[in-house]
Amino acid sequence: DQQVKQNSPSLSVQEGRISILNCDYTNSMFDYFLWYKKYPAEGPTFLISISSIKDKNEDGRFTVFLNKSAKHLSLHIVPSQPGDSAVYFCAASGASGTYKYIFGTGTRLKVLA
Amino acid sequence: DTAVSQTPKYLVTQMGNDKSIKCEQNLGHDTMYWYKQDSKKFLKIMFSYNNKELIINETVPNRFSPKSPDKAHLNLHINSLELGDSAVYFCASSLQVGGANVLTFGAGSRLTVL
Repeated sequence: DQQVKQNSPSLSVQEGRISILNCDYTNSMFDYFLWYKKYPAEGPTFLISISSIKDKNEDGRFTVFLNKSAKHLSLHIVPSQPGDSAVYFCAASGASGTYKYIFGTGTRLKVLA
Repeated sequence: DTAVSQTPKYLVTQMGNDKSIKCEQNLGHDTMYWYKQDSKKFLKIMFSYNNKELIINETVPNRFSPKSPDKAHLNLHINSLELGDSAVYFCASSLQVGGANVLTFGAGSRLTVL
């Protein structure tokens, strides 16, 4: 039973345009969400987080939106750059300070120059 | 000066063997983890230690035994390796940022069991 789903395995976007990566979850107890980026042969690196008390968090070109009623979050990258080409994972946890995160299967983003 | 380092990066071995993967972090974090990424690309937590104390132990076969000699090290020993153990194993450590534990991952150790 996959509690965190990223239904698009891949996405291609032109350089300079917006990339939108989506993530759905099924467990209404989740209230912390993280996005990670992974290059080949490297470990995932932290990008941005959001807690359920917010519906938006922004950090430079990266913005995460949370829709709790739809159990949906999305990562927006504007403008997209070729260096953003990587696999993006969303992860969810159930309580503040919890150590256990459930990860999605990732979306491979390709930014075309 | 790698923050979370794992060795070896690649490991090829025969079924039935015993092998270990080592992990060290120099970030001063109190919590360390082992995650497994299987062929379907799921990243699943296996174990977590906080200050050398086991705090998460998912449904993992007894053949897997983590050991944390101090809070900067978390090793993973696997006995009687099976084909299904082939995966990439990621070590991570974490720090609380705004209420969330943000994980810092190592580069992964790719285990292939033949």
